[in-house]
Amino acid sequence: GENVEQHPSTLSVQEGDSAVIKCTYSDSASNYFPWYKQELGKGPQLIIDIRSNVGEKKDQRIAVTLNKTAKHFSLHITETQPEDSAVYFCAASSNTNAGKSTFGDGTTLTVKP
Amino acid sequence: EAGVAQSPRYKIIEKRQSVAFWCNPISGHATLYWYQQILGQGPKLLIQFQNNGVVDDSQLPKDRFSAERLKGVDSTLKIQPAKLEDSAVYLCASSSVDRGDYGYTFGSGTRLTVV
Repeated sequence: GENVEQHPSTLSVQEGDSAVIKCTYSDSASNYFPWYKQELGKGPQLIIDIRSNVGEKKDQRIAVTLNKTAKHFSLHITETQPEDSAVYFCAASSNTNAGKSTFGDGTTLTVKP
Repeated sequence: EAGVAQSPRYKIIEKRQSVAFWCNPISGHATLYWYQQILGQGPKLLIQFQNNGVVDDSQLPKDRFSAERLKGVDSTLKIQPAKLEDSAVYLCASSSVDRGDYGYTFGSGTRLTVV
C-alpha cells in the first residue's frame, strides 16, 4: 500500500520568515495530494491540494509543489504569522483506491513573534 | 454549511469495557471515513464507507472494532472490549469521492482514554 513520509517533524521559524515542509510517497498511482492543518483540540482542516496533472498551486501565502518523477511534494508558507502555528499533515490518495488518503506523521510548526 | 458532527468529545473508560462513537457527515457526502489518530502520529484509516456499503476495512481490528452506516448517513464506531492501546483520537471525515472531490472534511474527533 501507499507510504507517506514527512519531514521535518518540528519546525520553528521567526514571524515573517518562510516555512517549507516536504513529503515523499511510494505509490506511483497516487494522483491527489492534500495538505491539512490541525490546531489543538480540532480535527484536521484542508488548506490546499494539488493533483498530479499540475506542478504547482498557490493560494495567497501558501503554495504546494509536486515532482511526480521524484515522488515528492512540498508545502511552502511565506510571510508566516503566529496563527500559522499548528500541526500540518500531508497525504496522498488515488482514484484506484477509492479516494482513501494515507497521511504523513505531521510537522509541528511554531511561528515565534 | 454545517460541518461533520461527532460525539462525544471525550470518553474515559476502563480496559475491557465497551464504547461507541457517533458521526454525522456533511449533507450529501456519500463517502465517510473513520480514522484513528494516536498522539504524535498522522491519522490511520480504520474503515471507509461509500453510502451504506464498506469500501475498505482492511485495517479495522475486527475482533474488537465494528462500524456501521445505516441508511448511508450517520455512522457509529464501536470498540468492545477496549484495550489500553486503543487510547487515541477517533476522527470521522466525509467527502464526495463520487463527484471527484477527494478532499476531506473532518469532525473535531472523540478523544478516548482507556485506563
